[in-house]
Amino acid sequence: NAGVTQTPKFQVLKTGQSMTLQCAQDMNHNSMYWYRQDPGMGLRLIYYSASEGTTDKGEVPNGYNVSRLNKREFSLRLESAAPSQTSVYFCASSREGNTEAFFGQGTRLTVV
Amino acid sequence: GENVEQHPSTLSVQEGDSAVIKCTYSDSASNYFPWYKQELGKGPQLIIDIRSNVGEKKDQRIAVTLNKTAKHFSLHITETQPEDSAVYFCAASIRSGGYQKVTFGTGTKLQVIP
Repeated sequence: NAGVTQTPKFQVLKTGQSMTLQCAQDMNHNSMYWYRQDPGMGLRLIYYSASEGTTDKGEVPNGYNVSRLNKREFSLRLESAAPSQTSVYFCASSREGNTEAFFGQGTRLTVV
Repeated sequence: GENVEQHPSTLSVQEGDSAVIKCTYSDSASNYFPWYKQELGKGPQLIIDIRSNVGEKKDQRIAVTLNKTAKHFSLHITETQPEDSAVYFCAASIRSGGYQKVTFGTGTKLQVIP
């Protein structure tokens, strides 16, 4: 039982490059989330998907897009990376919105 | 929107002592309050949660209290051990626009000194 799996674990991008962060969960959860974690700022929601086929913006969506490919997978895309997007990114899933969220191990992204 | 404040940002205690982390929230409609522990290099993991219809919940050495009138909730860890050293996040969850929105505090780095 893998839980929530994120790839890659580390990534360095040049300004303007694009990339996609992958996330998959094997717990049959309805809701999936993408957060970014910056020092002193806790976890901030980028996008979420309440169920398969739906996505909505969170607190800090600018510069990102997402795809809920199926119930298991939720990807985050940076179309044109900027240094301000240097952060640690976490994918999470939960059965419903007000139940325990399970987090992946995180992706440490550096944009130079 | 919901605002969650968490204090202190860092906390050092001697092994065996108690640790208390406090959070306040702004929206009285928040109804779910989870606490997460994040160890170095890992994702956060739920350690305890409480819902708005409950005032206190305990799980072995960990307890959480909720004061809805004052809009604050606290995490209590008794008999601390070195493996309790980590960053702890509180969160408040509220129904908003068709989904349950979770707002996290800024975290408390707990160091337990052997």
